[in-house]
Amino acid sequence: KQEVTQIPAALSVPEGENLVLNCSFTDSAIYNLQWFRQDPGKGLTSLLLIQSSQREQTSGRLNASLDKSSGRSTLYIAASQPGDSATYLCAVRDSGGYQKVTFGTGTKLQVIP
Amino acid sequence: GAGVSQSPSNKVTEKGKDVELRCDPISGHTALYWYRQSLGQGLEFLIYFQGNSAPDKSGLPSDRFSAERTGGSVSTLTIQRTQQEDSAVYLCASSLQGALGNTIYFGEGSWLTVV
Repeated sequence: KQEVTQIPAALSVPEGENLVLNCSFTDSAIYNLQWFRQDPGKGLTSLLLIQSSQREQTSGRLNASLDKSSGRSTLYIAASQPGDSATYLCAVRDSGGYQKVTFGTGTKLQVIP
Repeated sequence: GAGVSQSPSNKVTEKGKDVELRCDPISGHTALYWYRQSLGQGLEFLIYFQGNSAPDKSGLPSDRFSAERTGGSVSTLTIQRTQQEDSAVYLCASSLQGALGNTIYFGEGSWLTVV
């Protein structure tokens, strides 16, 4: 059974800092990994999707990396801004079966002005 | 449609009543997921549809919960005899299956409060 863990559960940083959020998964047989952000009272917004054959994806100030063999992904946020404050979740899609999607519990980020 | 649409966005119901939550996925998306998120908690998987069939309904918490999907499009999640612990936001998501990326797109959720 796939298990996805995100550390830390919460993070508070001053504006302008670069930061790294971590996601680890137990079964390396994955199809892809997706990072989302969730604002309070809202649904989930997709940030980046990394295919299992890829090592990283970039979008603006965000960079996500994937090390499938070690079961890890990181989301790097450069020059953080107060508007980045949200909960960040990673989701892993298995490569077998019907490609079940398993979510981590999230990292709640607060960027202090 | 342009995105995943869920209705109602907010629902307050009395304990013991039945509720229906609707999800309209992105046009052409064959995969559809329902998740539940209680206040301050992570996402709890409920059920997955591929087309009109549900190969994985292992997350439905009790027999009071059921879901169906018709025409490979709209899905309805029904909760019978609601209990206070059913209060949560119910999130629907859809994606293409077997196509490039398989990016999952979420709706804004249906916020259910059982009083």
